[in-house]
Amino acid sequence: AQSVTQPDIHITVSEGASLELRCNYSYGATPYLFWYVQSPGQGLQLLLKYFSGDTLVQGIKGFEAEFKRSQSSFNLRKPSVHWSDAAEYFCAVEIDRGSTLGRLYFGRGTQLTVWP
Amino acid sequence: GAGVSQSPSNKVTEKGKDVELRCDPISGHTALYWYRQSLGQGLEFLIYFQGNSAPDKSGLPSDRFSAERTGGSVSTLTIQRTQQEDSAVYLCASSRRGGDTEAFFGQGTRLTVV
Repeated sequence: AQSVTQPDIHITVSEGASLELRCNYSYGATPYLFWYVQSPGQGLQLLLKYFSGDTLVQGIKGFEAEFKRSQSSFNLRKPSVHWSDAAEYFCAVEIDRGSTLGRLYFGRGTQLTVWP
Repeated sequence: GAGVSQSPSNKVTEKGKDVELRCDPISGHTALYWYRQSLGQGLEFLIYFQGNSAPDKSGLPSDRFSAERTGGSVSTLTIQRTQQEDSAVYLCASSRRGGDTEAFFGQGTRLTVV
């Protein structure tokens, strides 16, 4: 079945530590790939996206993600986490490439806690 | 407007009542999406509008759910005869034309059915 997997439900890191959030997808072709962040009581904010080209993409707030076709992965990273990064992070894919649909399929999310 | 606006932000309703959730997309965005976020199911797609038409309504969970969009702008999601399992956060998103254009999300409507 087609799916987006975020294996880590909850991650805790200390402020200043590095961060990697994992995302794997299972689709026949490479989809468009996204990472969103959701703070409590807020909607989703786009951090970064990958459509094609350079497999290392830079996003907002110092985040980056690397697309690895061989692993069907799109992991999110940040070299030094800030307390304000505490939130829930969602990986999403769009499989209808070339259409106007734009429907997103989401992983279950990873809740990030940052210790001072 | 500056962003996607949803109202109400919170709604508590009794089981069996009908509810209407409203979404005001970003001005000029032709594509509009409804998603549902619940503890057990994560984020699920409900319906997609391109202009006033809904080419994809495959995510609506039952015939108690319906949605419309008028004037290529405001959309209303209606849930009839609400059930407790309808309790969730309903998120609306819009994008300039769908496809690979960025989707902007509203803050959601938290629906609680008691």
